[in-house]
Amino acid sequence: NAGVIQTPRHKVTGKGQEATLWCEPISGHSAVFWYRQTIVQGLEFLTYFRNQAPIDDSGMPKERFSAQMPNQSHSTLKIQSTQPQDSAVYLCASSLDSEVFFGKGTRLTVV
Amino acid sequence: GDSVTQTEGQVTVSESKSLIINCTYSATSIAYPNLFWYVRYPGEGLQLLLKVITAGQKGSSRGFEATYNKETTSFHLQKASVQESDSAVYYCALSDNSGGSNYKLTFGKGTLLTVTP
Repeated sequence: NAGVIQTPRHKVTGKGQEATLWCEPISGHSAVFWYRQTIVQGLEFLTYFRNQAPIDDSGMPKERFSAQMPNQSHSTLKIQSTQPQDSAVYLCASSLDSEVFFGKGTRLTVV
Repeated sequence: GDSVTQTEGQVTVSESKSLIINCTYSATSIAYPNLFWYVRYPGEGLQLLLKVITAGQKGSSRGFEATYNKETTSFHLQKASVQESDSAVYYCALSDNSGGSNYKLTFGKGTLLTVTP
């Protein structure tokens, strides 16, 4: 069990460019989550899928952010027209029941 | 909304001494939230340390303990004797278990524990 796999681990983008972050959940887990971590805000919930269906995206910024789960083996978080304030560590997690397993995160830096 | 407040910043403890990291919560929409402590060791991902889903119960793992106190809305993390290997960032968190939807963790800001030899 390799755990939740996130790629890339680090990404640097120029302001205005698009960034796509990838997540491979643990095989067999039905729920996938995205969180964002910054120094100021801490860990914030972004969005949640269950059995590939979007359930709750209440934490997602209304513009420029989108998440998909095209199949049970991966999810993506896409940020269009990145801004410096998008710089953060983005965490993906998956769960089968009450225990949530986190990946190591993708550190996004927008310059 | 829901919130979690924990000992902020850094805590430094000498090896073999006792530890307490305070955590209080506010769950405005959840009568009895599930409570968790997560830990991130250097170079590792965030992982569950312990959880308690019933008020009044105590959870324990790796020598750490935390008791779910609904009267004081607290879930303090304690360890009687810390080791250098306990150095990590600790996060208190809550989630909603209503209707079986155990998701959307709300985290505290994290506490960096440094254990000195």
